[in-house]
Amino acid sequence: KNQVEQSPQSLIILEGKNCTLQCNYTVSPFSNLRWYKQDTGRGPVSLTIMTFSENTKSNGRYTATLDADTKQSSLHITASQLSDSASYICVVGAGNNRKLIWGLGTSLAVNP
Amino acid sequence: DTEVTQTPKHLVMGMTNKKSLKCEQHMGHRAMYWYKQKAKKPPELMFVYSYEKLSINESVPSRFSPECPNSSLLNLHLHALQPEDSALYLCASSQLGQGLGKNIQYFGAGTRLSVL
Repeated sequence: KNQVEQSPQSLIILEGKNCTLQCNYTVSPFSNLRWYKQDTGRGPVSLTIMTFSENTKSNGRYTATLDADTKQSSLHITASQLSDSASYICVVGAGNNRKLIWGLGTSLAVNP
Repeated sequence: DTEVTQTPKHLVMGMTNKKSLKCEQHMGHRAMYWYKQKAKKPPELMFVYSYEKLSINESVPSRFSPECPNSSLLNLHLHALQPEDSALYLCASSQLGQGLGKNIQYFGAGTRLSVL
């Protein structure tokens, strides 16, 4: 069964600190892995997208890694800001032309 | 321009009302999507249009009726909804060509729907 699991479910950090969010997946055939940021009541915004051959991709203070062998990905946020408070969702695209498989997200709160 | 515009931002309707949600993009994307999202849950795919034709319907009740008048516009017509249909409705668009699972989807800000 295609599945995407994220941890932790929620996280609270202080402004300026770094954090890492985890994503494990069992999706076959695998095509790509995306990280989205979603503010409450808003649509998701794409942060990164990685294919099978990519190990890491950065977007400003966001760095995503992918280990296709262990089927794990992480999203590292550096020097967190209050505006980073949001839900971060790991989404895996299947290579069989079907819909995306969404994780439940990690809810991040950055406190001053 | 990487914007997907949805209107209205908020909508309150009774169970006997008929209303429509609208979505517009000018990125030249030929795939457009409707998602439904409940609080603290990931978006659930409802419909996919490819080249203005309905290609995926995820067993959505007939009280939701999608329409794609042209390559830039996507509507969702609502009729006789139930209170449990209250949710954030998201529109997205993407390029085609490599399969729906392979292209970045750009999302609108959503319409917050409340059914009384």
